[in-house]
Amino acid sequence: AQKITQTQPGMFVQEKEAVTLDCTYDTSDPSYGLFWYKQPSSGEMIFLIYQGSYDQQNATEGRYSLNFQKARKSANLVISASQLGDSAMYFCAMREGRGRGSTLGRLYFGRGTQLTVWP
Amino acid sequence: DGGITQSPKYLFRKEGQNVTLSCEQNLNHDAMYWYRQDPGQGLRLIYYSQIVNDFQKGDIAEGYSVSREKKESFPLTVTSAQKNPTAFYLCASSIARREAFFGQGTRLTVV
Repeated sequence: AQKITQTQPGMFVQEKEAVTLDCTYDTSDPSYGLFWYKQPSSGEMIFLIYQGSYDQQNATEGRYSLNFQKARKSANLVISASQLGDSAMYFCAMREGRGRGSTLGRLYFGRGTQLTVWP
Repeated sequence: DGGITQSPKYLFRKEGQNVTLSCEQNLNHDAMYWYRQDPGQGLRLIYYSQIVNDFQKGDIAEGYSVSREKKESFPLTVTSAQKNPTAFYLCASSIARREAFFGQGTRLTVV
């Protein structure tokens, strides 16, 4: 089974509008972390935001927020006030904790969503 | 500035040839990873290492080899046994449960 599922291959949004990128995950571990990365056409992976499974509040970083619904196992990324520079591929990822002392560390990635912002 | 450096940026391999991709980090991170990216596939884990002189296979390790003799370095060798090596390769590092930091990537092409 897929650990991370991103069901939107492509999304389009007009500049200054908000957009939500979907991500669902699958784990039986009570301790895990969820991450979003942005990959522009240059190929570099840029870390955007992190949500821990024990965090009580949804994470926010500037224009990025994570809509964390634990019971539904979803971790959607919300980008407010889209900018042309937001056009990129976006990846959701998860790291399973296996307890707070975990050292496994590997990240599982979804297939990504290509976001296009138009003027 | 701290970061991860991958080299070369572009690499061309002839059929039957082994090539080595370099990955160096000065972030003092314990864990390092190699991912392969193909169009529409997301990132797939090749190998990862938690400490020096130790590493584990990821999901697609066949045809690849790694070493971790120094904390800062985690080179990846693409051997002739890897039949379809043309891809974008990304190296990353992290500490414990925090986010992973990535290098700029190496684009490998078989000619």
